Amino acid sequence: AQSVTQPDARVTVSEGASLQLRCKYSYSATPYLFWYVQYPRQGLQLLLKYYSGDPVVQGVNSFEAEFSKSNSSFHLQKASVHWSDSAVYFCALTVTGNTGKLIFGLGTTLQVQP
Amino acid sequence: EAAVTQSPRNKVAVTGGKVTLSCNQTNNHNNMYWYRQDTGHGLRLIHYSYGAGSTEKGDIPDGYKASRPSQENFSLILELATPSQTSVYFCASGDARGGAGAETLYFGSGTRLTVL
Repeated sequence: AQSVTQPDARVTVSEGASLQLRCKYSYSATPYLFWYVQYPRQGLQLLLKYYSGDPVVQGVNSFEAEFSKSNSSFHLQKASVHWSDSAVYFCALTVTGNTGKLIFGLGTTLQVQP
Repeated sequence: EAAVTQSPRNKVAVTGGKVTLSCNQTNNHNNMYWYRQDTGHGLRLIHYSYGAGSTEKGDIPDGYKASRPSQENFSLILELATPSQTSVYFCASGDARGGAGAETLYFGSGTRLTVL
């Protein structure tokens, strides 16, 4: 069965610091991969997605993610975080091509300290 | 801007009662989804629909029914609510016209359901 693991339940960084949120997936082939963000009391919003091509994907708000087939990973990165980036970040995948049938990780709560 | 609206925002129900959660989208998307979000489980897919009149079972459909009477509306129905269904429920719409795997989901703000 397919699965997504986000090993860090909570990450705290200082404003202006760089960020990496980790995501590992389990699937025999290359899945469609997504990062979504959830701000307090809101629904999820798409940051970026990947299926093929350049393994580094650019997303909104200067986020990017790097796909690694050898490591079965899709880590999210940002060069310099802002306090407004504080939120819960979800990594997700789909394998069926039905696209909206996503398997989500448990999420990583990011706290940016001023 | 894509818009998905859920109602009610909060709901308290009694065990054994019937609960209907409503979702409306103005995106003209074919696909709609119901997820629930629980601590320790992330988001899990309950039901989904590919268009008016269609509903499909997701990963955890037991205890839930869905209804898609129109392109815009998608309801989740708990015929006999139980405390284990206390959760936050999210509706989403998506459009596959960008190609397989290209679908972006647009989520509502969620309904917090408490079953006593």
